[in-house]
Amino acid sequence: SQQGEEDPQALSIQEGENATMNCSYKTSINNLQWYRQNSGRGLVHLILIRSNEREKHSGRLRVTLDTSKKSSSLLITASRAADTASYFCATEYQKLVFGQGTRLTINP
Amino acid sequence: KAGVTQTPRYLIKTRGQQVTLSCSPISGHRSVSWYQQTPGQGLQFLFEYFSETQRNKGNFPGRFSGRQFSNSRSEMNVSTLELGDSALYLCASSPRASGNEQFFGPGTRLTVL
Repeated sequence: SQQGEEDPQALSIQEGENATMNCSYKTSINNLQWYRQNSGRGLVHLILIRSNEREKHSGRLRVTLDTSKKSSSLLITASRAADTASYFCATEYQKLVFGQGTRLTINP
Repeated sequence: KAGVTQTPRYLIKTRGQQVTLSCSPISGHRSVSWYQQTPGQGLQFLFEYFSETQRNKGNFPGRFSGRQFSNSRSEMNVSTLELGDSALYLCASSPRASGNEQFFGPGTRLTVL
């Protein structure tokens, strides 16, 4: 069964806008990771945030983690057409457990 | 460094057959994990190997098995294939145990007819 649940399942925005995806989980974690997948290919690691961290940045990505609410969010600023992909959160506690993902479409 | 490679990339089998998939991790990586991805169930963890030992296992039947060799290359085997085994099988490697960032291969697309 999936640990993480992502919201929304699909998101379509205009190029240049910001995209926010949310992830909720159920049990304790060591860390939470975000991955991107382009159209049925392998996943690419984006960012890892540890359970004792609240916010992390990497380029145009900003991730927050609220362990009291068991939730995380991924913000992509100034979106580009190349950001079109599926985004997955994955919680880590002895193994990685992935959410169902958010399908992000950036319209030119 | 070369990335994670998986062979074959595409495979078509019939029900009842068995299949072996191969994964070569990034040089120096000792942890290899396998995942199954389907539209209905999403990404599900199969197992992880670290230094030739199975470290963790997901909730899959015994038809799914794996192993890791001394050079960290890994294989997974599925016996008595069922239609529901059709999926993208992804392999990921990591320098240490799976708590850290994982580097994924392109996957093997298995179709069971």
